[in-house]
Amino acid sequence: NAGVTQTPKFRILKIGQSMTLQCTQDMNHNYMYWYRQDPGMGLKLIYYSVGAGITDKGEVPNGYNVSRSTTEDFPLRLELAAPSQTSVYFCASSSSTWGNYGYTFGSGTRLTVV
Amino acid sequence: DQQVKQNSPSLSVQEGRISILNCDYTNSMFDYFLWYKKYPAEGPTFLISISSIKDKNEDGRFTVFLNKSAKHLSLHIVPSQPGDSAVYFCAASVSGNQFYFGTGTSLTVIP
Repeated sequence: NAGVTQTPKFRILKIGQSMTLQCTQDMNHNYMYWYRQDPGMGLKLIYYSVGAGITDKGEVPNGYNVSRSTTEDFPLRLELAAPSQTSVYFCASSSSTWGNYGYTFGSGTRLTVV
Repeated sequence: DQQVKQNSPSLSVQEGRISILNCDYTNSMFDYFLWYKKYPAEGPTFLISISSIKDKNEDGRFTVFLNKSAKHLSLHIVPSQPGDSAVYFCAASVSGNQFYFGTGTSLTVIP
């Protein structure tokens, strides 16, 4: 069972560069999420999606964009990378907004902006 | 502004004893709570949940207690095992929408 797959696992970006963090799930979950975790901090929600074609901002959306063209994929786009975006990024999915069975998380992408 | 707080960054417990991880929240509208476990270089894994209509939920060695008046929840692990060594996050939401996560408690179970 693949679950939630994130690529790449690690990336170093220069200030001002752009990149897309990929996230794919094979559980047919409608709900998908992007979180970031800074050192010593909890996970903060960047964007989420309740289904294909529908996305919404979370707690810390500035500097990011998302799209949801299919149920399976939920890429996160960073435009004009800044050092403040150095973090570990987690993608997650769930079968319901209530998260009765919790979220299934990917293994994360560690991004460093220099 | 941290709405969900885990004030103990770390906890060490002897194997076989009880581990108690604590979590406090500030938003009285939170009505759904989750606990996650995270190993290094992996994503968090869902452990157990509780809704505000309950004050206790059990799943094997794991029990979550909710004290709504104190805005406090705790996770009890009995008996603790070395494989339980991980970082534990609590998370809270209003009606299961956006979840707010605590900063985590690193549990070490000593054999």
